[in-house]
Formats: sequence, structure tokens, C-alpha cells
Amino acid sequence: KQEVTQIPAALSVPEGENLVLNCSFTDSAIYNLQWFRQDPGKGLTSLLLIQSSQREQTSGRLNASLDKSSGRSTLYIAASQPGDSATYLCAVHRLHNNAGNMLTFGGGTRLMVKP
Amino acid sequence: AAGVIQSPRHLIKEKRETATLKCYPIPRHDTVYWYQQGPGQDPQFLISFYEKMQSDKGSIPDRFSAQQFSDYHSELNMSSLELGDSALYFCASSFDRNTGELFFGEGSRLTVL
Repeated sequence: KQEVTQIPAALSVPEGENLVLNCSFTDSAIYNLQWFRQDPGKGLTSLLLIQSSQREQTSGRLNASLDKSSGRSTLYIAASQPGDSATYLCAVHRLHNNAGNMLTFGGGTRLMVKP
Repeated sequence: AAGVIQSPRHLIKEKRETATLKCYPIPRHDTVYWYQQGPGQDPQFLISFYEKMQSDKGSIPDRFSAQQFSDYHSELNMSSLELGDSALYFCASSFDRNTGELFFGEGSRLTVL
């Protein structure tokens, strides 16, 4: 059974810092990995999708990497801003019974960026 | 750009009542997924549909059922509600059911009293 772990569970940094969020998964037979942002009580906003054949994806100040062999992904946030404060979730895509695309989520990292 | 639309956004029910949640996927997305997120928990997969057929099943209780209609919208029906069903219910859709990016709605918050 796939297990996804995110470290740290919570992180508080001053504005302007570069930071790294970590995600690890136990089964390397994944298809894709997707990073989400969730504000309190809100929906999940997709940040980046890394396909299994890719090693990284970039969008603005965000960069996500994927190392399937070691079962790890990192989300790098450059020049953090107070508006980046949210919970960041990584989710591993897997096919199940050749019938679909299922996500297994990590527990999330709660990020607080202080002005 | 159009997003996944869920309704209602908030719902309050009594124990043993029934609730129905609706989801309208992004246009041209043929796969719909339902997830449940309890307080302080990460989202758990419930069920998915592809081209109006049930595609996969996760930890969905037998008291719950769902379907996808001809216009691709989906409904999650929950009966004999229990206190533990209180959660945020998310619908997501994707264009490619095998490798595509999932896009989530804002969720429907169900409170069971």
C-alpha cells in the first residue's frame, strides 16, 4: 500500500527566505506526482504536476523535483511571501486496476511566512 | 478559465438524514473523482467515474452512492448520515484519466448534528 509522508509538518519562516518542502513515498511505481496548495477551509489548488518521465517542473517561484528511484519529491519556493502561507500537499498518482488515476496524499506541510 | 463547480458549498444535516452533493467538472473533462477530507486529515479517495461509468472505488461507505450523468456532472448521495460523515467533500476532474492533472473544486462542507 502506498504511503506518502511530508516533512516538516509545519514550517514558519520570515518573508524572503527560500525554502524546501519534502515529500516521500514508499512505492516507486507511480505515474505522476502533483503538488497542491490548500488555504484553510478551502479547496485544493494545483501547483505543479510532474509526470513520471520528468525530473522537475517549474512555475514562477516554484520548482518541484521528482526522484522516483529514491521515492522523493521536493517543492522549492523561492523568495517566500506572506501570501504563500497555506498548507502544501503532495499527492502521488497511481493507476488502479487499469481503471483510473487515483491520488494518495501526504499529510501536508503547514507553511507560515511572516512579514 | 472554468473550474470544477460544487454545490452546495455548505450543508447541515441531522443524524440518519440523507444528503446529495453535486459536481460539475471542467468542460471536456471526462473523469470525475470524489474525495473526503475529515478535520485535520488529508483527502481520502472515495470513488471515480469515467465516461459515466464507475471507474474505481476507494474507501466509500456502503451508505454512500454516486453516479455520473450524460452531461458529465456527478452526484454523491449519502444516506443514514453519521456524525463521522462530517467533512469537506471534494470533487475533482481530469482530461486524461491515466496521466492527467486533477483539478479540484472548492468543496462541499457537510456538518452532521
